[in-house]
Amino acid sequence: DAGVTQSPTHLIKTRGQQVTLRCSPKSGHDTVSWYQQALGQGPQFIFQYYEEEERQRGNFPDRFSGHQFPNYSSELNVNALLLGDSALYLCASSFNRGSNTIYFGEGSWLTVV
Amino acid sequence: AQSVTQLDSQVPVFEEAPVELRCNYSSSVSVYLFWYVQYPNQGLQLLLKYLSGSTLVKGINGFEAEFNKSQTSFHLRKPSVHISDTAEYFCAVSEDRAAGNKLTFGGGTRVLVKP
Repeated sequence: DAGVTQSPTHLIKTRGQQVTLRCSPKSGHDTVSWYQQALGQGPQFIFQYYEEEERQRGNFPDRFSGHQFPNYSSELNVNALLLGDSALYLCASSFNRGSNTIYFGEGSWLTVV
Repeated sequence: AQSVTQLDSQVPVFEEAPVELRCNYSSSVSVYLFWYVQYPNQGLQLLLKYLSGSTLVKGINGFEAEFNKSQTSFHLRKPSVHISDTAEYFCAVSEDRAAGNKLTFGGGTRVLVKP
């Protein structure tokens, strides 16, 4: 049983470019959340998707957007990249009903130069 | 708004010694509390969680934590650490019981276990 899988593992982008990160949730999970973890800091909540809609959003600008597909997988898109967007982006999945454990993926390392 | 403070950014400890990582939170409502561990270049792994019931929670790898509502704390302890416990530890809080809801994390505590 595969856990939460994310791609790509590492990537380098230039300021002003756009990036798309992908996440497949753990089997049986229907809710996907995205977090940004800057170097030396704790993860910060970006947003959460459930039933293909954004259900909650953290304090991130509109440059950060997402999508959830019918198979529950998700994408995180960041437009007009800034140097400060360099971070580890973590995807987390869970099952909406009940208090099951939240599982995290290994993350995607984004470097903006 | 909820917030989490981890009082120690780094904790050096000798192998087989006990360790305590401190976590305090603030929230205007009832909270649910979590400890995660992050090994180098890896994602987050859940160590333990408090949702309700007994205030002493036992987790994986010999870790335990105690919820203290009056002191708004959720300190993590292990009686005897191993070299393999070297990692970063994050305390997190959620204001909703549903596992899928937003987690607010502390800044992390880096544990370095020395031989």
